Amino acid sequence: DIQMTQSPSSLSASVGDRVTITCRASQDISQYVAWYQQKPGKVPKFLIYRTSRLHSGVPSRFSGSGSGTHFTLTINGLQPEDIATYYCQKYDDSPWTFGPGTKVEVK
Amino acid sequence: EVQLVESGGGIVQPGGSLRLSCVASGFSFETKWMHWVRQGPGKGLEWVSRIKTDGSITAYADSVKGRATISRDNAKKTVYLQMNSLRPEDTAVYYCTKEGDYYGLDVWGQGTTVTVSS
Repeated sequence: DIQMTQSPSSLSASVGDRVTITCRASQDISQYVAWYQQKPGKVPKFLIYRTSRLHSGVPSRFSGSGSGTHFTLTINGLQPEDIATYYCQKYDDSPWTFGPGTKVEVK
Repeated sequence: EVQLVESGGGIVQPGGSLRLSCVASGFSFETKWMHWVRQGPGKGLEWVSRIKTDGSITAYADSVKGRATISRDNAKKTVYLQMNSLRPEDTAVYYCTKEGDYYGLDVWGQGTTVTVSS
């Protein structure tokens, strides 16, 4: 099965900073990557599909890019409400494996 | 309002069984693939299983393959996850999720907690 990794596992940034999270697949998965945000104690929230397409209602400061085995989630202008753990997920085929997550904290 | 409501969680001894249910509302349930995702205490998200609109295709994570069965009843707008031979490592919050029009999991239930302990 294809494995998903994320880096860093955690980061701390200031409000207004640009934050980039990397997700890597062990094999080519084209652009079949989604991203999710999970705030502490809350249900995960769908952010991005097909690598770069924002789900309805997601703020435009979130963006995604990549293809093949390397993907990134960028937050342009980190906000206090962005404190969360972010997960990538592959969906080219089953299993729809998640990455281990990246915890984002605000300094 | 699009909604998924899970039930059926609880405390079960190792080796026991549970059937989780998820009732959907607010969308055309019979046209959507459905999934189960779980999250162990303090851990990340783990994809568990998915089922096609008519139930004809199913898939499982290796960690539950042979012990879990996903099924659905479109008339009742309900998806199920039968878990057998439960292990302590199956302890988790189990989320029912809906596959979006463009893939990804766009709607999540609040989750039901399964605890496997003697």
